[in-house]
Formats: sequence, structure tokens, C-alpha cells
Amino acid sequence: GAVVSQHPSWVICKSGTSVKIECRSLDFQATTMFWYRQFPKQSLMLMATSNEGSKATYEQGVEKDKFLINHASLTLSTLTVTSAHPEDSSFYICSAPRRNTEAFFGQGTRLTVV
Amino acid sequence: AQSVTQPDIHITVSEGASLELRCNYSYGATPYLFWYVQSPGQGLQLLLKYFSGDTLVQGIKGFEAEFKRSQSSFNLRKPSVHWSDAAEYFCAVGAPSGSYQLTFGKGTKLSVIP
Repeated sequence: GAVVSQHPSWVICKSGTSVKIECRSLDFQATTMFWYRQFPKQSLMLMATSNEGSKATYEQGVEKDKFLINHASLTLSTLTVTSAHPEDSSFYICSAPRRNTEAFFGQGTRLTVV
Repeated sequence: AQSVTQPDIHITVSEGASLELRCNYSYGATPYLFWYVQSPGQGLQLLLKYFSGDTLVQGIKGFEAEFKRSQSSFNLRKPSVHWSDAAEYFCAVGAPSGSYQLTFGKGTKLSVIP
């Protein structure tokens, strides 16, 4: 079964509103989680590294104020897309590394901004 | 900076035929190497990984990959493809520190002809 749960799996929102996406590690603790963005028919691009108890680390070109990341506990990281616009429509995927094994990926969230 | 090249965007094979998906990487040292599979609208599932040791790695679903340091390659193979193998395949590299912050190739879409 899934060891990383991501919700919602899809969401449609109006332009200008905010959307929160959750990523949970179900049976292990993750001090670090990663958020990726995937455009249609393209690869996954790392957006940011979520660190429990400290600020997230953003990749170059990713707007910190638009993509708010909170790693509130050892099993939960959230990505909030603020003031969403149509160009933010994409597939967002989180991953959580489990020590000495692998990084498990969530199911992904399809965001459509209308 | 690290990079991953998957030269084949789309490959079509007949069911029962053999398969090889190519992956080349650029990295300062020998990275951790991964192959993931993604079904439409889904997250990623790890097929196999290479950290060190035997350069021929066995994975799930009958897949294997061979690390060739001299060619900076990590090609994925399967001797007999099944229709259910149709999906998108991503090669990825990660730092040997084991952070699991991954850099992905653009992916290869596999179509299987019955």
C-alpha cells in the first residue's frame, strides 16, 4: 500500500484563490520532503525542499511567496499555491525519503486554475 | 550541475519483445541512480536503484538495469514486455549523500502493441 499519501488528487480553483496540497508519510517520519512540479508530457522539476522545523529551501526561479511550504510535523508537509493563476495549473508531486531505503512519492495533485 | 538525458521520447514495442530504455547522466561523482515508472495521472513507483556494488541491478516487474561508469549510463532492460508495462519511465540521479533530492530525465513513453 501507499506509504506517502497526497491530497487532494485533483482540484479545480478559481483564479486568485489559494489551494493547499498535503503530503503525509504514513508509517515513517520524514524530516525532509520534496515538492516537484510536472508539466504535461515533461519531466519532474524540483520546486523546493521542505524541512521539518525550519524554512523550506526553494530552487532557483520558484517564487517563495506564491508557493508556501510548511513542514508542520515529521509526517506532514503542505504546499499552498497562493493567488493561483492559470499558469500555475500543473501536476504537483511530493516525495518523502525513508532513511536507507528510498524516496516514496505521493499520488500527485492535478491543479487546474480557471 | 547534474543532468540526466533520456534520448528516446517515445518507444513502441510489441508485446513479448525485449526492451531497452537509455539513460545517460552527468555528475561530478558516481551518483545514486534510479528508474521510476509513472502511469497516467499517477505518482511514481520505483523500479530499481543503484548505489554501489554489482553494476547489474535487478528490480521489480522483471526489469533490470546496468550501470556503466565509462559510459555514464544506466540503461533499463526487460527481456519480454507485457502490455501492462505501457507507461512513462523516468531515469533519475541523486547525490551519493543519500538526500534523495532527485534530478529527473525528461522521460520515455513506452507503448506496447498487442
